[in-house]
Amino acid sequence: KQEVTQIPAALSVPEGENLVLNCSFTDSAIYNLQWFRQDPGKGLTSLLLIQSSQREQTSGRLNASLDKSSGRSTLYIAASQPGDSATYLCADNTDKLIFGTGTRLQVFP
Amino acid sequence: DTEVTQTPKHLVMGMTNKKSLKCEQHMGHRAMYWYKQKAKKPPELMFVYSYEKLSINESVPSRFSPECPNSSLLNLHLHALQPEDSALYLCASSPLRLVNTEAFFGQGTRLTVV
Repeated sequence: KQEVTQIPAALSVPEGENLVLNCSFTDSAIYNLQWFRQDPGKGLTSLLLIQSSQREQTSGRLNASLDKSSGRSTLYIAASQPGDSATYLCADNTDKLIFGTGTRLQVFP
Repeated sequence: DTEVTQTPKHLVMGMTNKKSLKCEQHMGHRAMYWYKQKAKKPPELMFVYSYEKLSINESVPSRFSPECPNSSLLNLHLHALQPEDSALYLCASSPLRLVNTEAFFGQGTRLTVV
């Protein structure tokens, strides 16, 4: 059974820092991995989808990588802003979404 | 347009009430999902519909009854719920079951059972 964990569980940083959020999964037979953002009490916003044939994807200040052999994905956020404050979730997107435990990010001015 | 629309945004219901949650997408997606999310927890899968047929039921109690009347619409019928069923209910869709396809979520329905 696939288990997805995220470290750290919470992160508080000053504006402008570059950040790395980590996602680990137990079953390396993962096909796709998707990163989401969730604002408090809201739905999920898709950030990036990494397909099995890719090793990374980029969108603006976000870059996500996938290393199936080591069971890891990372989300890199460049030049963080207060508007980036949210919970970030990774999910095994192979058949049905299996979510990680989430990282709650706060960026303060 | 990558919008999944859920109504209502908020719902308060008694334990003897019957209510329904609605989810709509017009992206031509053929897979639709219901998730339940408790506070400070990740979403948990409840149901998956593929081509309007129920393909996954994650052992959800029968007081939750899903329905997919057409390829754009997904309902969740609620009956005799318990206070512990209070949660954020999220609907999602993807072009097909999740192989090389991206999932999109609605803004959720905040359900409170009193």
